[in-house]
Amino acid sequence: GQQVMQIPQYQHVQEGEDFTTYCNSSTTLSNIQWYKQRPGGHPVFLIQLVKSGEVKKQKRLTFQFGEAKKNSSLHITATQTTDVGTYFCAGYTGTASKLTFGTGTRLQVTL
Amino acid sequence: DSGVTQTPKHLITATGQRVTLRCSPRSGDLSVYWYQQSLDQGLQFLIQYYNGEERAKGNILERFSAQQFPDLHSELNLSSLELGDSALYFCASSVHGGEQFFGPGTRLTVL
Repeated sequence: GQQVMQIPQYQHVQEGEDFTTYCNSSTTLSNIQWYKQRPGGHPVFLIQLVKSGEVKKQKRLTFQFGEAKKNSSLHITATQTTDVGTYFCAGYTGTASKLTFGTGTRLQVTL
Repeated sequence: DSGVTQTPKHLITATGQRVTLRCSPRSGDLSVYWYQQSLDQGLQFLIQYYNGEERAKGNILERFSAQQFPDLHSELNLSSLELGDSALYFCASSVHGGEQFFGPGTRLTVL
C-alpha cells in the first residue's frame, strides 16, 4: 500500500535557526497537504499543494511539491518557540479517497 | 476551535468492553474521517464516510465499526477492547476531499 515517510523523525533547534522536514511518498500524489499538531493538541491544516513543482509561502514557512509529485518539503526560517510541534505531510493518490499521513517530524525549539 | 466536536474527551474502560465514540462534523461538511493516534505515533486512517455512506477504509480492525447518521454525525464503535487499543481517536471532517478539520480527540485508556 501507499507509504509516506518523513525525515527527520525529530529535530531540536535553537530559536532563530532554520528547520526543514522532508516528505517522501512511495506513489505519485494528486496533491499534498501539511498539518501541524501542537503538543496535546489536534492536527491543524497548514496548506495544500497541487501542481508539480509548486512552491508556496506563509510568512516564515515555505512549502514545496516535487516535480514528480512524490515528495515535498516544509522549511521554516528563523524558528520561534511557537513553531514547536509535530509536522505531518499527507497525500491523496489519484484513485484513493483516503488521505495518507506521513510519519511526522517533531520539532523542538529552545531559547 | 475547528468546529468539529467529539465526545467524550476521555474514556477509561477495561479489556473486553465495548465503547462508542461520537463526532459531530462542521456545519456543511459531508465527509467524516476517523483516525487513531497511538502514543508518539502518526495518524492511522481508519475509515471515511461521505453523506451517510462508507467511502474509504484504512487499517480498521474487524472489532471496530463506524456509521454516519442522517444528521451527519458519526459514531465509532470499538468492541472486545484490548490494551493495545489505548490511543487518541480523532475525527475530522471536510466538504469532500481537501482540507480536513480535526476535532479535539477522544483519549481512550484500556486497563
